Amino acid sequence: LAKTTQPISMDSYEGQEVNITCSHNNIATNDYITWYQQFPSQGPRFIIQGYKTKVTNEVASLFIPADRKSSTLSLPRVSLSDTAVYYCLLNTGGFKTIFGAGTRLFVKA
Amino acid sequence: EAQVTQNPRYLITVTGKKLTVTCSQNMNHEYMSWYRQDPGLGLRQIYYSMNVEVTDKGDVPEGYKVSRKEKRNFPLILESPSPNQTSLYFCASSPRQGIVSSRSSYEQYFGPGTRLTVT
Repeated sequence: LAKTTQPISMDSYEGQEVNITCSHNNIATNDYITWYQQFPSQGPRFIIQGYKTKVTNEVASLFIPADRKSSTLSLPRVSLSDTAVYYCLLNTGGFKTIFGAGTRLFVKA
Repeated sequence: EAQVTQNPRYLITVTGKKLTVTCSQNMNHEYMSWYRQDPGLGLRQIYYSMNVEVTDKGDVPEGYKVSRKEKRNFPLILESPSPNQTSLYFCASSPRQGIVSSRSSYEQYFGPGTRLTVT
């Protein structure tokens, strides 16, 4: 499976928009891009998934350029409770799942 | 309530004593999977199952066994636990996996985790 690369950590302040970029240069045609959020000692929770262009739901937006070699998770107006680790991963038509190291987001008051 | 449950949530055991961590989902999902999470290593997939009686290895299957006799259950078996299997374990299930479709969703639902310590 193709590997993803994300920043190790990011800091932000409450009320700001946070953009976390994920690189996946070797993304395959059938790959979907999926983002998860994980709080300490809890299982990851699905945030958003997309294939191309832009996807938006009630908690986030996902921007995917035409070449699909990267993607950006956008969290509008973060709060302290958004402090978590965010994982970008690729899901193919196969069954294996590979989580990268994730991005640790710390939101400050 | 739709959920994935794991038992036990915490377990301390000794080297070599066989143990089973149970996982059950009530969403009629076909796909189930086990992960372990260690500091600095993120989540690594141990085994997964595409359906009843169909399982395959993930990235770190050594020292583990699984079975899928029923759709809702996917137990993780450690025949002879060792200290390097001390970890936080997560079970997950998904309604669709391995199906390429513009409407498919690979969302995985995770259980609460089992913290295992092997001394």
